[in-house]
Amino acid sequence: GAGVSQSPSNKVTEKGKDVELRCDPISGHTALYWYRQSLGQGLEFLIYFQGNSAPDKSGLPSDRFSAERTGGSVSTLTIQRTQQEDSAVYLCASSLRRQGHGYTFGSGTRLTVV
Amino acid sequence: DQQVKQNSPSLSVQEGRISILNCDYTNSMFDYFLWYKKYPAEGPTFLISISSIKDKNEDGRFTVFLNKSAKHLSLHIVPSQPGDSAVYFCAARNAGNMLTFGGGTRLMVKP
Repeated sequence: GAGVSQSPSNKVTEKGKDVELRCDPISGHTALYWYRQSLGQGLEFLIYFQGNSAPDKSGLPSDRFSAERTGGSVSTLTIQRTQQEDSAVYLCASSLRRQGHGYTFGSGTRLTVV
Repeated sequence: DQQVKQNSPSLSVQEGRISILNCDYTNSMFDYFLWYKKYPAEGPTFLISISSIKDKNEDGRFTVFLNKSAKHLSLHIVPSQPGDSAVYFCAARNAGNMLTFGGGTRLMVKP
């Protein structure tokens, strides 16, 4: 597709369950990023993939969070044993290696942990 | 410690007037600054950017000003329109193409 695609668009899960969020970046974009926006907060960096390099995981808030990027394309963000504070909009973005106008974002996945 | 800060969580202006959104940063190694606009239920979209070697970039109704000595940038929208009502994020890029975002400013343009 022409844009960054994220699925699902909304997810409601029970506390303690695991969830997987998917991101399909723009074809040819080598860099992929995950951010999240909690209610009333700014964009919080989670993880960054660049080509075949080891990902930058410095933003992951706990070891319950992990992400993979298979074949340099699709990425999955997994949250294990979800907690209520994990409720947020999870945004994926992709970019070419160096791009003056930055990232192209997907529409996000709104995660609600009840 | 937040490297990019937007100190005003919200701003309300009258249609036709100027909107000025401010952003401060602490890292002098940032080489590019960007503004993103976000509507509810959508991802942020790129609006305008400026290189650290410039002090002004203009695109239609949108102008970004950079004051490197003050580590401050601002986005001017003139004239403001109701469709400009959104959350605006300031972002700064480091050499690794990582963007650090501010907390956002919600702009409301009243008809």
